[in-house]
Amino acid sequence: GAVVSQHPSWVICKSGTSVKIECRSLDFQATTMFWYRQFPKQSLMLMATSNEGSKATYEQGVEKDKFLINHASLTLSTLTVTSAHPEDSSFYICSAHHPRGGKNIQYFGAGTRLSVL
Amino acid sequence: AQSVSQHNHHVILSEAASLELGCNYSYGGTVNLFWYVQYPGQHLQLLLKYFSGDPLVKGIKGFEAEFIKSKFSFNLRKPSVQWSDTAEYFCAVNAHSGAGSYQLTFGKGTKLSVIP
Repeated sequence: GAVVSQHPSWVICKSGTSVKIECRSLDFQATTMFWYRQFPKQSLMLMATSNEGSKATYEQGVEKDKFLINHASLTLSTLTVTSAHPEDSSFYICSAHHPRGGKNIQYFGAGTRLSVL
Repeated sequence: AQSVSQHNHHVILSEAASLELGCNYSYGGTVNLFWYVQYPGQHLQLLLKYFSGDPLVKGIKGFEAEFIKSKFSFNLRKPSVQWSDTAEYFCAVNAHSGAGSYQLTFGKGTKLSVIP
């Protein structure tokens, strides 16, 4: 099956620093990747849609200058949390759209737990 | 915008009991429907999906779900659960809102605990 790798799985950083999270599709090319945020006991909330070679599309209420997304290749999308603050602490999950027969199948990374001190 | 509602936050069952997890969505148009499972410490995995055709779909590990269009529902079932089914289950919807629109809207999830 399709594999999506997300790195790191857990990161702790000081307030004011920036953190980069990588999402890779290991055995397929993904023109579209998605970034979600999940709060405890809450649903996955879509933050942005990342399209290879173009600017990401952000959901309403998501600060694009704070959550920088780069999708430079067909197998890699990165999310950079800039000037992180404690309220940014959360579980971030990426997924990659697998273009299998035109059907919408998303494969998910294992997630990154961000703790901002 | 579409929304997804999962009725139960936490379900506790004994092994061999039957399972039904509710999922309702709000969207009047054509939808694709999914159930994902997240085992402890692992990533989200696709359990089953509905795109078209037979409204009763079968997934992995003995799970099935039935799409009832009139009720806007896509409930997940399993006749006899096992301890290894302990996990969190998410219902998700993709509404056909435009060409190449692959976004998923998730429910809040239902945590299933199976007692040996």
